[in-house]
Amino acid sequence: EVQLVQSGVEVKKSGESLKISCKGSGYSFTSNWIGWVRQMPGNGLEWMGIFYPGDSDARYSPSFQGQVTISADKSITTAYLQWSSLKASDTAMYYCARPIVVRGVVIRLDYWGQGTLVTVSS
Amino acid sequence: QSALTQPPSASGSPGQSVTISCTGTSSDVGGYDYVSWYQQHPGKAPKLMIYEVSKRPSGVPDRFSGSKSGNTASLTVSGLQAEDEADYYCNSYAGSNNLGLFGGGTKLTVL
Repeated sequence: EVQLVQSGVEVKKSGESLKISCKGSGYSFTSNWIGWVRQMPGNGLEWMGIFYPGDSDARYSPSFQGQVTISADKSITTAYLQWSSLKASDTAMYYCARPIVVRGVVIRLDYWGQGTLVTVSS
Repeated sequence: QSALTQPPSASGSPGQSVTISCTGTSSDVGGYDYVSWYQQHPGKAPKLMIYEVSKRPSGVPDRFSGSKSGNTASLTVSGLQAEDEADYYCNSYAGSNNLGLFGGGTKLTVL
């Protein structure tokens, strides 16, 4: 059974760094992309980026390029989303999800983590 | 690129059918058959309901169906049930160097 299990709630202050995680199991972690989606309070879903653990290929949506870093540790089948300096506007729920990518096209997101709530106070 | 356009709300009585639209452009919805739909209950993660316009993943009831005409994709829920009350989001491929676009979401209320 495919599972994506995310790390717990985070409460941080502006300017602090943060790394949240998403552990994949039940499938080949290195042969599948992993993605991150943001949902700000009361808002819709936004693509942040995707990462291929097999060769460390990372692709970001323009809005998030340079703002976050996506990475993974193949040895523990865990993906990460990292900020070097948080802002109050980073307050949101963050979901990891497994995108099915065919010839460079994201076809669908077939499995999702339970979400990690990040609250940043100013 | 802008988000895809969905109506903010939709509603129907139990047993009825309701259709939610998702409008884009010829560069996304109209240009490719890579539209997917996600259901999100309050406080829960999204769940894939439809992909590649009209395909249903295993385990999704056949009451859920998808279609597309021109630049508009649609999700139809037939035989509405109370548990269908949720937010629904569409997503479309939008060309190379783009991860895809989400719609703004539609809150479906079962009256």
